[in-house]
Amino acid sequence: DAGVIQSPRHEVTEMGQEVTLRCKPISGHDYLFWYRQTMMRGLELLIYFNNNVPIDDSGMPEDRFSAKMPNASFSTLKIQPSEPRDSAVYFCASSLGWGRAAFFGQGTRLTVV
Amino acid sequence: AQSVTQLGSHVSVSEGALVLLRCNYSSSVPPYLFWYVQYPNQGLQLLLKYTTGATLVKGINGFEAEFKKSETSFHLTKPSAHMSDAAEYFCAVSETGTASKLTFGTGTRLQVTL
Repeated sequence: DAGVIQSPRHEVTEMGQEVTLRCKPISGHDYLFWYRQTMMRGLELLIYFNNNVPIDDSGMPEDRFSAKMPNASFSTLKIQPSEPRDSAVYFCASSLGWGRAAFFGQGTRLTVV
Repeated sequence: AQSVTQLGSHVSVSEGALVLLRCNYSSSVPPYLFWYVQYPNQGLQLLLKYTTGATLVKGINGFEAEFKKSETSFHLTKPSAHMSDAAEYFCAVSETGTASKLTFGTGTRLQVTL
C-alpha cells in the first residue's frame, strides 16, 4: 500500500481564496483524521470520520472550514475564504479501528498571503 | 479528559549517548499510548505503541518505552543515539473503550551532536 496520500504537498494562495486539500486514506482503514500543525499550537485534531461519517468536528476552528468524505477512499478539507492565520501544515491520517495507530500522510503546507 | 505532557521541548545528546524523552499522561480510563517521530518536512511515523499486555514496548530504530501506571508515564528511550535520530518526537494518548480522540503532546525536538 502506498500509505496515506495527500495533495497538494504545497499550496500558496491569496487571502480570500478557496482552498481544497485532498486525502486518500490507506485502503481498508475505517477512521480518517484531519490535523493541523503550527508552531504556536502544535498538532490539533480538526475532525475525524468513521466509515465516511463525521464523528467529531469540535476541532474545526470556524465555519470557514468544512470537510467531507464522500467515499471510503477520499476526503477533502476546504477553507473558504482563506486567511493568513490558516497558514499551517495540514495532515491527514487513517487507522484501522479505534485506538489503533494512525498512519499519517506527508502533509500539505498551506501558505495564505 | 485525556492529556499529554512532554517535558523538555528540546533535548540535546551526544552521538552514542542515552536518549530519554519524557512523557506523562492523564487519562480517566486505561490509555492507549503512542510515540511518533517526525523528520523535517515529513508526516508523523509511528515508533511504537502500548495498548495492553507487556509494559515494556519495543519499537523501530532501537527505541523502546515503558508504561508505568503508577507514575502515569510513558518515557521513550534508546541506549545509543545516532545522528539519524535527530527529529521531533510526539507522545500521544487515546482512551480505551470510548470514542475519544488521539491527543498529542507538544513535541520534543531531539538534537544529536558529534
